[in-house]
Amino acid sequence: SQQGEEDPQALSIQEGENATMNCSYKTSINNLQWYRQNSGRGLVHLILIRSNEREKHSGRLRVTLDTSKKSSSLLITASRAADTASYFCATPEETTDSWGKLQFGAGTQVVVTP
Amino acid sequence: NAGVTQTPKFQVLKTGQSMTLQCAQDMNHEYMSWYRQDPGMGLRLIHYSVGAGITDQGEVPNGYNVSRSTTEDFPLRLLSAAPSQTSVYFCASSYSPGYTSYTFGSGTRLTVV
Repeated sequence: SQQGEEDPQALSIQEGENATMNCSYKTSINNLQWYRQNSGRGLVHLILIRSNEREKHSGRLRVTLDTSKKSSSLLITASRAADTASYFCATPEETTDSWGKLQFGAGTQVVVTP
Repeated sequence: NAGVTQTPKFQVLKTGQSMTLQCAQDMNHEYMSWYRQDPGMGLRLIHYSVGAGITDQGEVPNGYNVSRSTTEDFPLRLLSAAPSQTSVYFCASSYSPGYTSYTFGSGTRLTVV
């Protein structure tokens, strides 16, 4: 079953614009992760934000986490054509004695046009 | 380069055939897993392993078999291929699942006709 749900499903922007996508999840988490997948390729880890963090930056990426609303957002600033990809949020499933398997949402497809 | 290596990259099977998808990692990760990716459904966990000799089922295990004889390798076997197993398969590993990020292989695109 999917834990994270991304919104929107698809996003089309022009180079230089900012892109924002959101992720909602259902159960408690100890961290939330964002991945990028270029067409026909594997997933690449972007950012991991822990449950006690509210915001995290990496280059042109900014991730926020609101555990009270069970939601996260990924912002890509000054987008480039190379940012065209699918973006997934993922959360570790909580088991009886530890945090475990990573569960993914269906992803947001981002297209950046020159 | 350190990472997760999957072979083959592409495969076409006939219904009923069997095959093994290979996955190897050189990061000494104890945790390894297999996912399948279908359009509009994100990634779904097939099987996973927390160390050599230990495997367990994920969300969609039917029709697949795994074993883990070494830390490095985690092959996925399709016992009798069905068209419903047409998908893209990803192997992933992690140093500490639930606490650290995953490293993914580049995937195997499987078509069952």
